[in-house]
Amino acid sequence: DVKVTQSSRYLVKRTGEKVFLECVQDMDHENMFWYRQDPGLGLRLIYFSYDVKMKEKGDIPEGYSVSREKKERFSLILESASTNQTSMYLCASSLFPRTGRSGNTIYFGEGSWLTVV
Amino acid sequence: QKEVEQNSGPLSVPEGAIASLNCTYSDRGSQSFFWYRQYSGKSPELIMFIYSNGDKEDGRFTAQLNKASQYVSLLIRDSQPSDSATYLCAVRKGSGNTGKLIFGQGTTLQVKP
Repeated sequence: DVKVTQSSRYLVKRTGEKVFLECVQDMDHENMFWYRQDPGLGLRLIYFSYDVKMKEKGDIPEGYSVSREKKERFSLILESASTNQTSMYLCASSLFPRTGRSGNTIYFGEGSWLTVV
Repeated sequence: QKEVEQNSGPLSVPEGAIASLNCTYSDRGSQSFFWYRQYSGKSPELIMFIYSNGDKEDGRFTAQLNKASQYVSLLIRDSQPSDSATYLCAVRKGSGNTGKLIFGQGTTLQVKP
């Protein structure tokens, strides 16, 4: 089974703090993703990476950065946490699709619930 | 216009009925389509994917795709209270190989005993 592990399930941080969310996958997947999920807004892509040291902005990258130094690990960084970043953060991974028609699906971690006060 | 649209619901059906969940998408070049189920407080889990026009069946679930109408649906037959969850439609855009999925906001399904 694919396992995507998010090290922190529940965090409470103060405004202005630097926050690190760590994610590790054990299936040698090329792609890794960070989403946030908010009521009424669904899942929104923050950043994704398709290779080590490669990253691309998703739909809402402002206020976030990422790091992918090793294939299995993808970190999300909030440089200066703000209250509007209170959310559930989901890490995910997938194989690199080799054809346009691909069932290569995304596997999610358990989620990290972040509260910024 | 959102790239992937779903009615947020809630959709309420009695136990044993057919639940029909719908999703539309805006990018005609989209190649693959996914349905995820998410229980409250949990992460999404894949139910099925489809990429050819027509129907794809897996147990009580049937995914239907109509690329001309840019429409994908999920039918759940013999609905059970355990099917009560939020169902997320996801679309992989274009022909690129980055594997990026765009999600709809999800439809909440309530199956009443």
